[in-house]
Amino acid sequence: ETGVTQTPRHLVMGMTNKKSLKCEQHLGHNAMYWYKQSAKKPLELMFVYSLEERVENNSVPSRFSPECPNSSHLFLHLHTLQPEDSALYLCASSQDSGYEQYFGPGTRLTVT
Amino acid sequence: ILNVEQSPQSLHVQEGDSTNFTCSFPSSNFYALHWYRWETAKSPEALFVMTLNGDEKKKGRISATLNTKEGYSYLYIKGSQPEDSATYLCASLYNFNKFYFGSGTKLNVKP
Repeated sequence: ETGVTQTPRHLVMGMTNKKSLKCEQHLGHNAMYWYKQSAKKPLELMFVYSLEERVENNSVPSRFSPECPNSSHLFLHLHTLQPEDSALYLCASSQDSGYEQYFGPGTRLTVT
Repeated sequence: ILNVEQSPQSLHVQEGDSTNFTCSFPSSNFYALHWYRWETAKSPEALFVMTLNGDEKKKGRISATLNTKEGYSYLYIKGSQPEDSATYLCASLYNFNKFYFGSGTKLNVKP
């Protein structure tokens, strides 16, 4: 049990759908992250939140919209995605920015 | 986008062998180097965080070193066991929030 949970674990959505990925951490951490792992590519940092403020946006398309309502919860809102957005989306948290990260189990997203 | 390189891409060793792999990263504006172990069907798990040139960290049979001047880190596993089979990821951190991961070294330890 890593203390970081993600739901759903699997998601299939059409290009016109709107869906949200949810991440929750039970570790009392101040920083949370969204990563994307596409097939045969390195983990790619998407967003970083520190104390509920977005501190990093790694040139991610606007069809991905993060939300951090409090330090324990992080959402990734998805709309009008493309098939190339199919990937594993991992959430992580750390005590503060730059510290070791604790990862959730990921959401496997398929865009049809 | 910065390039973090890991080598080799994959490694097959026998149980009991010692092994090591490399992570190379740009040294300009470097802040920290992270190592993670990612077992199949599990989440990545932190092994080490290193910041200073010459840092050495150890956890059981696994150890790591860091050279920030030349931009590389080594991960060593002594006496590999089948349960060490996993993908080992390194991530280089710049300016507190910019993490760049390598593609990983996939280790397979045969009993």
